[in-house]
Parts: sequence; C-alpha cells; structure tokens
Amino acid sequence: QVQLQESGPGLVRPSETLSLTCTVSGGSITSSYWSWMRQPPGKELEWIGYVYGSGATNYNPSLKSRVSMSVDTSMNHFSLKLSSVTAADTALYYCARYVRSGNHYMDVWGKGTTVTVSS
Amino acid sequence: DIQMTQSPSSLSASVGDRVTITCRASQSIGSNLNWYQQKPGKAPNVLIYSGSRLQIGVPSRFSGSGYGTDFTLTITSLQPEDFATYFCQQTDSFPLTFGGGTKVEIK
Repeated sequence: QVQLQESGPGLVRPSETLSLTCTVSGGSITSSYWSWMRQPPGKELEWIGYVYGSGATNYNPSLKSRVSMSVDTSMNHFSLKLSSVTAADTALYYCARYVRSGNHYMDVWGKGTTVTVSS
Repeated sequence: DIQMTQSPSSLSASVGDRVTITCRASQSIGSNLNWYQQKPGKAPNVLIYSGSRLQIGVPSRFSGSGYGTDFTLTITSLQPEDFATYFCQQTDSFPLTFGGGTKVEIK
C-alpha cells in the first residue's frame, strides 16, 4: 500500500526557507493530490495546501505569499517550501494523499517531521 | 474560513464505554466532514469520511453521523487501542480546516 515519509532539516534559522520532501512509496505520484499540514505545539492542525501530480497547486491564503509546492515524478516525491520563516512556523509537519474523487479526505498520512525555527 | 469547534477537548473513559465526540462547523458543510485518529509518533488515520462512511479496515464500533453544521463520532465499545486523539476536518471549502482535537484517555 502507499506509504509516505517526510524528510528535511529539523532546525531552520529565522528568515530562511523551510524545505521539506515527502517520498511516496508503493504507488505513483501522478494522478493524485498531495497535501501538506502542520500542527504547532499545543495548537490545532492547519492545512497548508495541495499539489496535484501535474503540478497544479492550491494554497491556504494565510500562507500563500510564502508557500511553494512542487512534484518530482522522477523521484516520486513532492516538496514544500516555506519562505521567511519565524518562530510561529515551528510545528510538526505532515504530508498526506488527498482523495478528491467524489468524497474528499486524506487517506494516507506520513508520521510527521518536527521543524523548529530558531537561531 | 470555516471554523470547526470540537468538544470535549479531552475525556476519560473505561474500556467498554460508549464515547461520543462532537464537531460543529461555523457554517453548513453538508456531509463534507471527516474524522481521524492520531496516536503519538504515528501517522493519523482516517476513520470516517463524508460524515458517515466507514473507511475500509476501520472497526465497525466507530460510526459518524450528522449533516450541515453538527456532527458526531461515536465509539460504541471503547477498546484499549482506541485511546488516542481524534479530530474532525471539513472539506466543503478551501481552506480546509480542522477541529482542535479530542484526547481520549483511560479512566
């Protein structure tokens, strides 16, 4: 079955760009929607956005000016970049497959990766 | 944005208890409501999608109901492996939003 694994630096300096990758195993990255979420300590989950296998994207307006998502079909992974980070971007970051065929839900999630923004 | 208010934020229950968790949307979302289970260090797991549809492989003791703004997740007979955090999500409109979560603890 499809499995997802997030990877990337656990520590990012303020004002720099956070970069994470989600590797898809057990299935193809094309013809599916892939989403990123995050959960700051003690707070609720926040949807960051999604990227389709073709590269089309949809971002949360609250982060849109700083977010970029992309797909690498040769590596079967998709990526998140968040620029100009601050301490408020410290969170547990999740990737997930976003089902959008009639019913809409995240059917496969990664275990999450913690990112701390600190100097 | 649609606000999702989940209650209670935590509860204590015993094995075999019936547990009910509520999620309320700030506006009507039809049946576009999903429920997830989250355990520490593990990937979240979808239990119920589209309000009441049981995800394949999820035990039948889990059920979902509701439409519009008020939704319920019910666990009919709590099992040891059900102690976890549960959260709801609306997928009616972007940005997608989540409830604050309900932590189910052992009494």
